[in-house]
Amino acid sequence: GENVEQHPSTLSVQEGDSAVIKCTYSDSASNYFPWYKQELGKRPQLIIDIRSNVGEKKDQRIAVTLNKTAKHFSLHITETQPEDSAVYFCAAANGAGGNKLTFGTGTQLKVEL
Amino acid sequence: GAGVSQSPSNKVTEKGKDVELRCDPISGHTALYWYRQRLGQGLEFLIYFQGNSAPDKSGLPSDRFSAERTGESVSTLTIQRTQQEDSAVYLCASSVTGRQPQHFGDGTRLSIL
Repeated sequence: GENVEQHPSTLSVQEGDSAVIKCTYSDSASNYFPWYKQELGKRPQLIIDIRSNVGEKKDQRIAVTLNKTAKHFSLHITETQPEDSAVYFCAAANGAGGNKLTFGTGTQLKVEL
Repeated sequence: GAGVSQSPSNKVTEKGKDVELRCDPISGHTALYWYRQRLGQGLEFLIYFQGNSAPDKSGLPSDRFSAERTGESVSTLTIQRTQQEDSAVYLCASSVTGRQPQHFGDGTRLSIL
């Protein structure tokens, strides 16, 4: 089955700096890659997703890049703000049996003033 | 409109008891997923329902776990003879179809004494 690895497990940046979180996946059939933000005690919220037919997608300060050949994808947050502090999860799915997601282990992002 | 609703929000029970967790998906969403999130970890897929098709039960960890869904409405996840390792947050997600983004509920925090 699919295996998703995520790095780093913790990331601390200064407000205004950029943050990058990286994930690798094992199943070359995976074609859908969402990112979720989870604040303490809250539900995971979808912040951006990408499908395998594109290499990059942006939404304001958030971007995701995908390298199918290397089987890795990354989340980029620019101009970080304190409210970006949360745990971020990457995930992968191949869509063949629905989008049952295999998640990474999460990255605790802390944006310091 | 209303998001995914789960109940109860918290459940504390003694080892060996059965528990039933409920999920109300977003109206019109044909796909429904259950995930488990242990403390400080990523989400693990449990089971997937798509319309009237047979569910994908490939993530259920043991035969003590079962789930049902009537049509495209409410789903219940049942854990029989609970064990301490069942302690986790159980999250439900729904999507318009099996290939669309998933939206999560707040989860049920299950604690086994």
